[in-house]
Amino acid sequence: KQEVTQIPAALSVPEGENLVLNCSFTDSAIYNLQWFRQDPGKGLTSLLLIQSSQREQTSGRLNASLDKSSGRSTLYIAASQPGDSATYLCAVNTGTASKLTFGTGTRLQVTL
Amino acid sequence: SQTIHQWPATLVQPVGSPLSLECTVEGTSNPNLYWYRQAAGRGLQLLFYSVGIGQISSEVPQNLSASRPQDRQFILSSKKLLLSDSGFYLCAWDTGGSTEAFFGQGTRLTVV
Repeated sequence: KQEVTQIPAALSVPEGENLVLNCSFTDSAIYNLQWFRQDPGKGLTSLLLIQSSQREQTSGRLNASLDKSSGRSTLYIAASQPGDSATYLCAVNTGTASKLTFGTGTRLQVTL
Repeated sequence: SQTIHQWPATLVQPVGSPLSLECTVEGTSNPNLYWYRQAAGRGLQLLFYSVGIGQISSEVPQNLSASRPQDRQFILSSKKLLLSDSGFYLCAWDTGGSTEAFFGQGTRLTVV
């Protein structure tokens, strides 16, 4: 059974810092890995999708890497801003029907 | 462009009452549709998924059921709610294979 772990559970950084969020998974037989952002009481916003054959994806200040063999992904946020404050979730897809297994998230707070 | 709609946004229901949550997707055809639940302090858990009209797969035994009466409509139901059914319910869609998943804004259900 696939298990996804995210470390740290919570993180507080001052504005402008670069930061790394970690995600690990137990079964390396994945189709893809997706990073999401969730604001309090809201749905999930897709940030980045990395296919199993890819090593990284970039979107603006976000960069996600994938090391499938070691079961790890990182989300790098450059020059953090208060608007980046949210919970970040990673999810792995191990099924043909895109059944996602989620981690419990990292709650990020960026302070002024 | 594709959009996903979920309603209602918030719902308070007494124990033993019925439930109907609706999700519709616009701007795409034959999507895969999913219902997830996010319980307090826990990660998202896949409840049901559908790859076509009338085709429903259940991931966990529970007090809920799902139906897909139309291509882009997915309904989550219960005949009699339990306290343990409280949570944040999210509908999602993708186009199958290893594609990006998109989520709705969720329904906060409180069973009292």
